[in-house]
Amino acid sequence: SQQGEEDPQALSIQEGENATMNCSYKTSINNLQWYRQNSGRGLVHLILIRSNEREKHSGRLRVTLDTSKKSSSLLITASRAADTASYFCATYNAGNNRKLIWGLGTSLAVNP
Amino acid sequence: EAGVAQSPRYKIIEKRQSVAFWCNPISGHATLYWYQQILGQGPKLLIQFQNNGVVDDSQLPKDRFSAERLKGVDSTLKIQPAKLEDSAVYLCASSLAGTREGTQYFGPGTRLLVL
Repeated sequence: SQQGEEDPQALSIQEGENATMNCSYKTSINNLQWYRQNSGRGLVHLILIRSNEREKHSGRLRVTLDTSKKSSSLLITASRAADTASYFCATYNAGNNRKLIWGLGTSLAVNP
Repeated sequence: EAGVAQSPRYKIIEKRQSVAFWCNPISGHATLYWYQQILGQGPKLLIQFQNNGVVDDSQLPKDRFSAERLKGVDSTLKIQPAKLEDSAVYLCASSLAGTREGTQYFGPGTRLLVL
């Protein structure tokens, strides 16, 4: 079953702008992961944040996690046309058969 | 390091026909997953293997879908007979067993169109 809910469902921005997408979930987690999917490279793991972490950076990506609100956000700074893709959050609970619970995704379009 | 391999990349069949997909995970990854992804939606887990044993197949439509991983390495997913609503991308992923991280590595997927 889907647990994560991303918003917005779709986002369109200009190159160079920042893109923020949010994810909410329902149950306790060990970590939360963000993945990107585009037609060229399939579904790719971007970044993982553990339940005891509040913020994490990787290049132009910044992820925050608020376990009290059961929510996370993904910020992409200085966006590029190549960032055009769908972004999914997935939550992981080691006690749940070690499987990821996926959201429905945010579709990001970065216009040149 | 080689990634997850899947074949075929595309398949077009008529309803009521059968189809099979193949996946070879990353070497050393004991856990293998098959997902179904319908256009505009997130991946839906169909079945999860740990070595050659099934961990979770609660969302697998067992009247028409079957999967096996006989030697604990590569895996096949079969649909027989196919329905129009089976049109989707079928993704295979793998992960290391014994990790508390759960990061999954995906293959390119097989795009199935049922006419």
